[in-house]
Amino acid sequence: SQQGEEDPQALSIQEGENATMNCSYKTSINNLQWYRQNSGRGLVHLILIRSNEREKHSGRLRVTLDTSKKSSSLLITASRAADTASYFCATDGQSGGSNYKLTFGKGTLLTVNP
Amino acid sequence: NAGVTQTPKFQVLKTGQSMTLQCAQDMNHEYMSWYRQDPGMGLRLIHYSVGAGITDQGEVPNGYNVSRSTTEDFPLRLLSAAPSQTSVYFCASSYRLDAGELFFGEGSRLTVL
Repeated sequence: SQQGEEDPQALSIQEGENATMNCSYKTSINNLQWYRQNSGRGLVHLILIRSNEREKHSGRLRVTLDTSKKSSSLLITASRAADTASYFCATDGQSGGSNYKLTFGKGTLLTVNP
Repeated sequence: NAGVTQTPKFQVLKTGQSMTLQCAQDMNHEYMSWYRQDPGMGLRLIHYSVGAGITDQGEVPNGYNVSRSTTEDFPLRLLSAAPSQTSVYFCASSYRLDAGELFFGEGSRLTVL
């Protein structure tokens, strides 16, 4: 079963614009992660945010987490054509203790037009 | 470092055939896992391992076997291939036992006729 669900399924923007993707999940978590996948390639880890964090930055990426709403957002600022990819959120689906299973959403396909 | 290496990259099987997808990592990661990716389904966990000699099932384990005899290798065996196993398979590893910050291989595309 899917734990995280991304929204929108697809997003098309112009270079230089900001892109925002959202992720909703169902059960409590220890942490939430975002990954990028270029067409035909493996996934690349972007950022991990813990359940006790509300916001995290990495370069042009900004991730927020609202555990009360069970949702997260990924903001890519000043997008570039090279940001064209699918973006996935992933959750461990368990609060506290050890959990070895990471569950991915279905992803958001971002297209950045030159 | 090569990271996570998967072989083969492409494979075509006939229904009922068996095969092994290989996965090797050179980062000394204890955690390794296998996912399959299907259109519209995202990634689904097949099996995972938290160290040599320790494996466990994920969300979709039926039809697949794994073993972990060394830290470096985590092969995935298809016992009797079915068309439903047509998919792209990804191996991933992590230095974190909570499956955080996974490093992925480039994938193995399997077609079962």
